[in-house]
Amino acid sequence: DQQVKQNSPSLSVQEGRISILNCDYTNSMFDYFLWYKKYPAEGPTFLISISSIKDKNEDGRFTVFLNKSAKHLSLHIVPSQPGDSAVYFCAASDVIYNQGGKLIFGQGTELSVKP
Amino acid sequence: DSGVTQTPKHLITATGQRVTLRCSPRSGDLSVYWYQQSLDQGLQFLIQYYNGEERAKGNILERFSAQQFPDLHSELNLSSLELGDSALYFCASSGAGTSGNNEQFFGPGTRLTVL
Repeated sequence: DQQVKQNSPSLSVQEGRISILNCDYTNSMFDYFLWYKKYPAEGPTFLISISSIKDKNEDGRFTVFLNKSAKHLSLHIVPSQPGDSAVYFCAASDVIYNQGGKLIFGQGTELSVKP
Repeated sequence: DSGVTQTPKHLITATGQRVTLRCSPRSGDLSVYWYQQSLDQGLQFLIQYYNGEERAKGNILERFSAQQFPDLHSELNLSSLELGDSALYFCASSGAGTSGNNEQFFGPGTRLTVL
């Protein structure tokens, strides 16, 4: 039972254009959603998160949108740069009494930004 | 650099053997998480410790165990190793609810190869 899904295994965009990465989830109890970026042979790096009580969070070139009714979130990168080329993971969390909680990851989308 | 350290970086061993992976969380973080990334399963949550106590368990095999010590470092013990245990093992840490978004910081991982 895959609770977090990223249906596009790969995405290719031109430098300077917008990259849109999508993620769907099934469990309406999730409190937070996070995006991580991962390069080969490295651990995932936190990018941006959004609480379930918000519908948008922006940080520089990165914006995450949450549509709770559709159980869908997306990550927008504008403008895309070649250094953004990596695997992007969507993750969902239910926080346990303010003591953290497990992250449930999607399968990842490999983004390639072409110069 | 996330501030989370993991040793060793690489580990090659034989089936039936036992290994110990070590993780030191970021300074001040009370929660430590272990994740497994294999080719066909993506990033899977194994177990969480908070301030020395087990807090959550995922699909962790009975052959695997973990603990968190008083200095907050953690060890993941894998025994009776099988070929299918070959994977990347990541440790992550998070603060004690300071930000509330369960942002987890990942170490560089340990690549385990079972021959």
